[in-house]
Amino acid sequence: GAGVSQSPRYKVAKRGQDVALRCDPISGHVSLFWYQQALGQGPEFLTYFQNEAQLDKSGLPSDRFFAERPEGSVSTLKIQRTQQEDSAVYLCASSIRQDNEQFFGPGTRLTVL
Amino acid sequence: DQQVKQNSPSLSVQEGRISILNCDYTNSMFDYFLWYKKYPAEGPTFLISISSIKDKNEDGRFTVFLNKSAKHLSLHIVPSQPGDSAVYFCAAAGAGSNYKLTFGKGTLLTVNP
Repeated sequence: GAGVSQSPRYKVAKRGQDVALRCDPISGHVSLFWYQQALGQGPEFLTYFQNEAQLDKSGLPSDRFFAERPEGSVSTLKIQRTQQEDSAVYLCASSIRQDNEQFFGPGTRLTVL
Repeated sequence: DQQVKQNSPSLSVQEGRISILNCDYTNSMFDYFLWYKKYPAEGPTFLISISSIKDKNEDGRFTVFLNKSAKHLSLHIVPSQPGDSAVYFCAAAGAGSNYKLTFGKGTLLTVNP
């Protein structure tokens, strides 16, 4: 069956540009998560949705980061005025419920020049 | 401050032998622990988990051991196979926010034929 998909897989942005990263979770999965993985590090939690409600955004590093899931399915992570330190792989995961196994997508590798 | 530590960046093992990957944590509120496996250009894949009420969980060739007093867990793979070569991430979650996974930096396991 289809897993979590993310697009684009690779994104190069000039410093100061806005970017939008898309996540298509597994159908029927209520919970959706975004993580940021810097080079040589493990994934770090950014934010969590239950259906369309963003229940935890404690991991978002600054107010330049914004995530939404308006219809409780597809989610978009937006980064405004990108900086070089935003360069990382952005991983999306979904699960049936919040305390179930999280299934990860392949990630979007963002490079900010 | 890293709450989940994987102190060995890499491990090399001969096919058929045992692989032991280690993980230490500092946050005593963590009560659920997971291991994820990651191949290049793919997202992490769930491998095995353990709740703090147990000290061992086994699934086929994979066994996770938890030592709560030492705040230490380990993943044993027996027998190791070349297809097990990947980066292994240890992750932890705490009561009240059991969706928010905190990851270690990962250990690159290489199983040599």
